Amino acid sequence: DAGVIQSPRHEVTEMGQEVTLRCKPISGHDYLFWYRQTMMRGLELLIYFNNNVPIDDSGMPEDRFSAKMPNASFSTLKIQPSEPRDSAVYFCASSLGTNYSPLHFGNGTRLTVT
Amino acid sequence: AQSVTQLDSQVPVFEEAPVELRCNYSSSVSVYLFWYVQYPNQGLQLLLKYLSGSTLVESINGFEAEFNKSQTSFHLRKPSVHISDTAEYFCAVSDPLRGGSNYKLTFGKGTLLTVNP
Repeated sequence: DAGVIQSPRHEVTEMGQEVTLRCKPISGHDYLFWYRQTMMRGLELLIYFNNNVPIDDSGMPEDRFSAKMPNASFSTLKIQPSEPRDSAVYFCASSLGTNYSPLHFGNGTRLTVT
Repeated sequence: AQSVTQLDSQVPVFEEAPVELRCNYSSSVSVYLFWYVQYPNQGLQLLLKYLSGSTLVESINGFEAEFNKSQTSFHLRKPSVHISDTAEYFCAVSDPLRGGSNYKLTFGKGTLLTVNP
């Protein structure tokens, strides 16, 4: 089991550019979560999917953020256009939908918007 | 919505000393509680969890946490820490998801534990 895989590990971009973050959940997990981590706000849940369907996106900051899960093994989080205040570490996590199984996190993508 | 308060943002201790990392949550209903650990440049890893049953739960590396419903607390303790325990520790509380038996987590802001020689 390779765990949750995120790419890229680091992303540096200029304000106004489009950024796409990628996530491959653990095979067989049917829940996928995107979290954002900053010093000021800690870990915030942005959106989560169940069986590839977005269930709750109330944590998405604004319309510049969008997330998709075209199949069970891949999800993207897109920011367009990016702004300096989007700089953070973005984590993807997945879990089984039974027996309150734990969340398994990827190593995160550190995004810097200049 | 749930909220989690970790009272200490940083806790420096010496090796082999005991440590307690404090966590309080806001809910008055049944909840599930978790501690996650984050080592530098890595994602969060589950350390231990309380779902039901005994209020004292233990991890494989010597940490334990006690669920105290009356005080809405879930403090993490270790009687003797090692240098390798240096990491950031996050307390989290469950929020039931719509349908199903899974949950989403609301995290505290974390406590950086630094173990010095």
